[in-house]
Amino acid sequence: KNQVEQSPQSLIILEGKNCTLQCNYTVSPFSNLRWYKQDTGRGPVSLTIMTFSENTKSNGRYTATLDADTKQSSLHITASQLSDSASYICVVSFSGGYNKLIFGAGTRLAVHP
Amino acid sequence: EAGVTQFPSHSVIEKGQTVTLRCDPISGHDNLYWYRRVMGKEIKFLLHFVKESKQDESGMPNNRFLAERTGGTYSTLKVQPAELEDSGVYFCASSQGLTYNEQFFGPGTRLTVL
Repeated sequence: KNQVEQSPQSLIILEGKNCTLQCNYTVSPFSNLRWYKQDTGRGPVSLTIMTFSENTKSNGRYTATLDADTKQSSLHITASQLSDSASYICVVSFSGGYNKLIFGAGTRLAVHP
Repeated sequence: EAGVTQFPSHSVIEKGQTVTLRCDPISGHDNLYWYRRVMGKEIKFLLHFVKESKQDESGMPNNRFLAERTGGTYSTLKVQPAELEDSGVYFCASSQGLTYNEQFFGPGTRLTVL
């Protein structure tokens, strides 16, 4: 069964600290893996997209890693800011020509001052 | 450039009534997707349009749901008759290409069926 699992379910950190979110997937055949940020009441916004041949990609203070062999990904947030408080969703694209996305349940991050 | 827009932002209806959700994709995007997040669960795929054609509707839960994209521009998703389990947030997304292209999401329509 094609699944995406994320951990932790929720996380609280202090402003300025770093954190790492985890994603494991069983989607096959795999096309690419995306991390999205979703603020409350808004739609998801793409942070990174990685194919199986890429093992790291950065977008500002966000760095995603991918190990296609172990089917694991992580999203590292550096020097967190209050505005980083959101849900972070790992999404795997199912290779079938039509870019079908399989979503994880998300990690809810709260950054406190 | 305007993003993906959805209307209404919220809808509260009674069981058995009909509701129509609308999505306006980013201009020029041939691919339009509908997704749904039911309370406490992950976002799930409903269907995919390429222009006005349904490319993949494998995620549509049942025949109470009807999606259209006449003319290949905006899309509507009608639920008739609505049931309690249809409550959730319905997202629309659009993209220019397929495999490696970013999907841009709208803000979603929160549907509550009482």
